[in-house]
Amino acid sequence: GIQVEQSPPDLILQEGANSTLRCNFSDSVNNLQWFHQNPWGQLINLFYIPSGTKQNGRLSATTVATERYSLLYISSSQTTDSGVYFCAVESGSGNTGKLIFGQGTTLQVKP
Amino acid sequence: ETGVTQTPRHLVMGMTNKKSLKCEQHLGHNAMYWYKQSAKKPLELMFVYNFKEQTENNSVPSRFSPECPNSSHLFLHLHTLQPEDSALYLCASSQEGGIRGQETQYFGPGTRLLVL
Repeated sequence: GIQVEQSPPDLILQEGANSTLRCNFSDSVNNLQWFHQNPWGQLINLFYIPSGTKQNGRLSATTVATERYSLLYISSSQTTDSGVYFCAVESGSGNTGKLIFGQGTTLQVKP
Repeated sequence: ETGVTQTPRHLVMGMTNKKSLKCEQHLGHNAMYWYKQSAKKPLELMFVYNFKEQTENNSVPSRFSPECPNSSHLFLHLHTLQPEDSALYLCASSQEGGIRGQETQYFGPGTRLLVL
């Protein structure tokens, strides 16, 4: 099955700093989503982005489907950005809603 | 608020107990999902329901028994669980379960389960 790798596994930032999180996947995809899981476990969908670039406030994401990676950019980080960021994909041959999640990047933003 | 609610939020049970987790979505979606999140492991899909029919069982042990009485409600019945089943159980919903592809899944807050 499709493999999803995220890097870095852990990231510590000072408030106000920028960061880039990476997601590599091993096969073509028809669905790629970025999620943020807060310290209480709630997963919030950030982007649906199987290809192209999207921006939402301080967050933006780019997926280069032909090269099988996606990037999540966080600018001017805030302490509320802390948590775990997951990339999840569904392979291009599937149409079942079956998302495969990466291991996540744990982000800590210090005041 | 994502429009997906789960109860209870926390559950402690013995290995001989029977309990049920409940998920409800208020988004008018037709697909619902159960995921398991164990410590230090990625989220694992357990079950997918589309229009009340189970379309995916990801080799889940029979001590986990899902039920989907309608498109808005999803249950996970638990019996004779093991301590290694302790985890965060997350429910999600989406419009049509990937039938047309390109769907966003919305997650509930999860039930944190501890099996003693």
